[in-house]
Amino acid sequence: EPEVTQTPSHQVTQMGQEVILRCVPISNHLYFYWYRQILGQKVEFLVSFYNNEISEKSEIFDDQFSVERPDGSNFTLKIRSTKLEDSAMYFCASRGQYNSPLHFGNGTRLTVT
Amino acid sequence: GQQLNQSPQSMFIQEGEDVSMNCTSSSIFNTWLWYKQEPGEGPVLLIALYKAGELTSNGRLTAQFGITRKDSFLNISASIPSDVGIYFCASGANSKLTFGKGITLSVRP
Repeated sequence: EPEVTQTPSHQVTQMGQEVILRCVPISNHLYFYWYRQILGQKVEFLVSFYNNEISEKSEIFDDQFSVERPDGSNFTLKIRSTKLEDSAMYFCASRGQYNSPLHFGNGTRLTVT
Repeated sequence: GQQLNQSPQSMFIQEGEDVSMNCTSSSIFNTWLWYKQEPGEGPVLLIALYKAGELTSNGRLTAQFGITRKDSFLNISASIPSDVGIYFCASGANSKLTFGKGITLSVRP
């Protein structure tokens, strides 16, 4: 079964550094998402992306965050200057048709020290 | 904002028992989804519900979309050890999902 894949599985970075989290959505999917889960808490929506532009973003997704689909397969989340509170699991998700269920990757654990 | 309420936070059952989980909201939703998350992994979709009153099964799992469109339940029958994990309800409109806080299920052999 096709999967959403994310790399790396764990990223450790120092406060103030830039990080790029990478995702390869399912190949024929059109809608892409990033979600975040702080340890022990619920999964929170960050941003959705369709047709090469952001569709919607949450209040968490401030100017430090950006997303990009640099080619036909990758979807990236960049955090320009990481803060301690950015430490979390970051999940990429995708779906094919509008209103079809999301498929999640296994996440990247970001640790900011 | 919209919130999905799941309680209790944790449930402990004996292998072989059935268990039921509820998810409620003060808002009306057009979709209800149930996901399971295991340690170190992303949420995996278990069941998707799209119509009020809809009852859908997936193996030992059964979920229903409440008539009021403000709630849903998930039943697991004849639980087994691999049912352990966190069960999230989720719902939303358009491009984003709102998740509940999840229920951690433990199954004693």
